[in-house]
Amino acid sequence: GDSVTQMEGPVTLSEEAFLTINCTYTATGYPSLFWYVQYPGEGLQLLLKATKADDKGSNKGFEATYRKETTSFHLEKGSVQVSDSAVYFCALSLKAAGNKLTFGGGTRVLVKP
Amino acid sequence: SQTIHQWPATLVQPVGSPLSLECTVEGTSNPNLYWYRQAAGRGLQLLFYSVGIGQISSEVPQNLSASRPQDRQFILSSKKLLLSDSGFYLCAWSPPSRETQYFGPGTRLLVL
Repeated sequence: GDSVTQMEGPVTLSEEAFLTINCTYTATGYPSLFWYVQYPGEGLQLLLKATKADDKGSNKGFEATYRKETTSFHLEKGSVQVSDSAVYFCALSLKAAGNKLTFGGGTRVLVKP
Repeated sequence: SQTIHQWPATLVQPVGSPLSLECTVEGTSNPNLYWYRQAAGRGLQLLFYSVGIGQISSEVPQNLSASRPQDRQFILSSKKLLLSDSGFYLCAWSPPSRETQYFGPGTRLLVL
């Protein structure tokens, strides 16, 4: 079946450090890919998305590129802030599956001042 | 603009008691609606989704049920809660036939 695998956390960084969260997927077909962010005690917010190979999604300084050849969608940010502390979820959806989201397990990121 | 509401925000219930969580969406018509559960420290599991009034699909067997009595209302219920039902319940919506889902603030349920 379809699945998403992302690196386990927690990831602890200092402010202004470079952040990478790895995400790989398995899917039958050509999925759309998403990163969602969950701040403490809140629901999920869409961070960015990409709908086809080589697309780059970006938002709030975060970027991720849809790599079909490596079935990956790694999230990056060049300089993190304390306010980026959150849990990040990678997800995919397929039209053939009714656009239901399949999530990875989430990666907790803690940024220290 | 569209907004999604969930209530209650927090709920503490004894084992064996009933449950009703409500989700409503404003500012859109005929949305697809979803219920997810997030167990402590874990990822999200899709429980139910609906593409229209009275149309419910269940993703996992469990003692929970869902209903959609109105176009923009989605209810999650249980007749008798189990300890394992504890978790963070998230409702989401998407425009019809569109892929991006938008999440509500969630309900934290603790079953004791």
